[in-house]
Amino acid sequence: QKEVEQNSGPLSVPEGAIASLNCTYSDRGSQSFFWYRQYSGKSPELIMFIYSNGDKEDGRFTAQLNKASQYVSLLIRDSQPSDSATYLCAVNRGSNYQLIWGAGTKLIIKP
Amino acid sequence: DTAVSQTPKYLVTQMGNDKSIKCEQNLGHDTMYWYKQDSKKFLKIMFSYNNKELIINETVPNRFSPKSPDKAHLNLHINSLELGDSAVYFCASSQGELGTQYFGPGTRLLVL
Repeated sequence: QKEVEQNSGPLSVPEGAIASLNCTYSDRGSQSFFWYRQYSGKSPELIMFIYSNGDKEDGRFTAQLNKASQYVSLLIRDSQPSDSATYLCAVNRGSNYQLIWGAGTKLIIKP
Repeated sequence: DTAVSQTPKYLVTQMGNDKSIKCEQNLGHDTMYWYKQDSKKFLKIMFSYNNKELIINETVPNRFSPKSPDKAHLNLHINSLELGDSAVYFCASSQGELGTQYFGPGTRLLVL
């Protein structure tokens, strides 16, 4: 089992709808969770991070954590074509805080 | 002003050559990283330095040697380049090991 798993996609969502991206992790000691967005040919850029004490909303983006089931999700409301990118989930290992990355989910927003 | 910069942006070279990639950050961070992203887009940590000291050294061939002359710089030297080294190499920095990581633009290495 990989430490951080994401569905590679592509996930196709119509413009204006809610895009839901999921990430599962194996280390129960993990306490920091990050979502990065990577456009083709560009470097990853941080969208949001959450700690083990709750969910977080920032504009159209909401990150939710379910520690019991060991998954973290990213919701994008009112999806725009500019949201089309690969979304990378990263989780800190509980033992040494090293950031472990998922392989990313490719999101396509269709106009 | 670029926060994390890398040079060169593109690197095309022959098998067996030795090459270096340089990284600089002006964010005042104390931790820097090298990542390799292959054609399948998987981001894999290679090395991490905190205050110029190596703290993460993943299973990487010893042909790869990082060097951190100071907290703001982390270079990567690669000896005897192989075809499988072709990838995008990203430098990143953070404040502490738990801090958010900020990435440079990447160096696209192609070994022929």
